[in-house]
Amino acid sequence: AQKVTQAQTEISVVEKEDVTLDCVYETRDTTYYLFWYKQPPSGELVFLIRRNSFDEQNEISGRYSWNFQKSTSSFNFTITASQVVDSAVYFCALSEASGGGADGLTFGKGTHLIIQP
Amino acid sequence: DAGVIQSPRHEVTEMGQEVTLRCKPISGHNSLFWYRQTMMRGLELLIYFNNNVPIDDSGMPEDRFSAKMPNASFSTLKIQPSEPRDSAVYFCASSFTGAVYGYTFGSGTRLTVV
Repeated sequence: AQKVTQAQTEISVVEKEDVTLDCVYETRDTTYYLFWYKQPPSGELVFLIRRNSFDEQNEISGRYSWNFQKSTSSFNFTITASQVVDSAVYFCALSEASGGGADGLTFGKGTHLIIQP
Repeated sequence: DAGVIQSPRHEVTEMGQEVTLRCKPISGHNSLFWYRQTMMRGLELLIYFNNNVPIDDSGMPEDRFSAKMPNASFSTLKIQPSEPRDSAVYFCASSFTGAVYGYTFGSGTRLTVV
């Protein structure tokens, strides 16, 4: 069975610091997808990124970057020059696709990120 | 595109009452998922449908929970009878062929059972 572990329950940094959120996953499938979602205080789940298991290229989107390493089963998320608006709970999630790609997401427990002004 | 629409946004009910949560997926999406979020258990997949057919309901906590998808544009999650431990935020999500194209979540229904 698949599993996603976010060992950091809460992280607090001062604004403008860089911060990395860790995500480690377990799956027996060779084809799978990894996601990051942001949940701000308002409660909605905001999609940030999706990577498939065949694409290990790191990705950068503005201040956000993601490091995918199959060798360590990790998909870490870094925010550069953090801002107060980045304060939220961040979830890493996994979806196995061997069944045709229509399976649901398995979420980690989330990391509560607090950016202090 | 109006996104995934859930109703109601908030529901407060008394223990023992029937509760029905509603979801309208994005038009054209053929998969629909119900999740529950609690502090203790995090985000859990309850059930999902492909082309209106329930595929996996192993996450449904007990027989008090049931879900239906009578057509491609509507789904319900019913709890009967409700209990205080059912208090949670319930999210609906839809997708086109699942992970390949990602999942879009609704705003959630916050259920409080007193």
